[in-house]
Amino acid sequence: KQEVTQIPAALSVPEGENLVLNCSFTDSAIYNLQWFRQDPGKGLTSLLLIQSSQREQTSGRLNASLDKSSGRSTLYIAASQPGDSATYLCAVRKGFLNAGGTSYGKLTFGQGTILTVHP
Amino acid sequence: GAGVSQSPRYKVTKRGQDVALRCDPISGHVSLYWYRQALGQGPEFLTYFNYEAQQDKSGLPNDRFSAERPEGSISTLTIQRTEQRDSAMYRCASSPQGEATYEQYFGPGTRLTVT
Repeated sequence: KQEVTQIPAALSVPEGENLVLNCSFTDSAIYNLQWFRQDPGKGLTSLLLIQSSQREQTSGRLNASLDKSSGRSTLYIAASQPGDSATYLCAVRKGFLNAGGTSYGKLTFGQGTILTVHP
Repeated sequence: GAGVSQSPRYKVTKRGQDVALRCDPISGHVSLYWYRQALGQGPEFLTYFNYEAQQDKSGLPNDRFSAERPEGSISTLTIQRTEQRDSAMYRCASSPQGEATYEQYFGPGTRLTVT
């Protein structure tokens, strides 16, 4: 059974700091890994999607890396801002066999890192 | 364009009642997913569809839970004889195709409270 763990559970930093969020998963045979942002009362916003063949993806101040063999991903946020305050979730996708054949739909999520950036 | 929409946004029901939660995916998206999220946890997979076909229902916790997508667009998640432990945020997502390479886009969720 795939398990996803995120460290730290919570993080509070002053504005302007660079920071790293960590995600680890127990089964390295994944198709891809997705990082999400969750704001209170809103849905999940997809930040970055890294395919299993890729090492990293970048979007603006965000950079996500993937080391599939060791079961780890990191999300790097540069020059953090108060607007970055949210819960960050990572999720991995892996195919598995069920009664209907191979299923690719299931995302397995970590429990999230609650980030607070204070002015 | 419009994202994934869910209704109602909030639902309070009494134990033993049936509830139906609706999801309207992004137009043209083939795949639709249902997740459940408890407070302080990440979402947990329930089931998913490609078009109208239910591809995987391994995450449905018991037979009180069912889902359908009869015309390959809007989906309904039904919970019969609700129990307090069913209280959670129910999230729907869609993606252009069912293959693993595509991102899933989430709606705002339905907060279900069973009293």
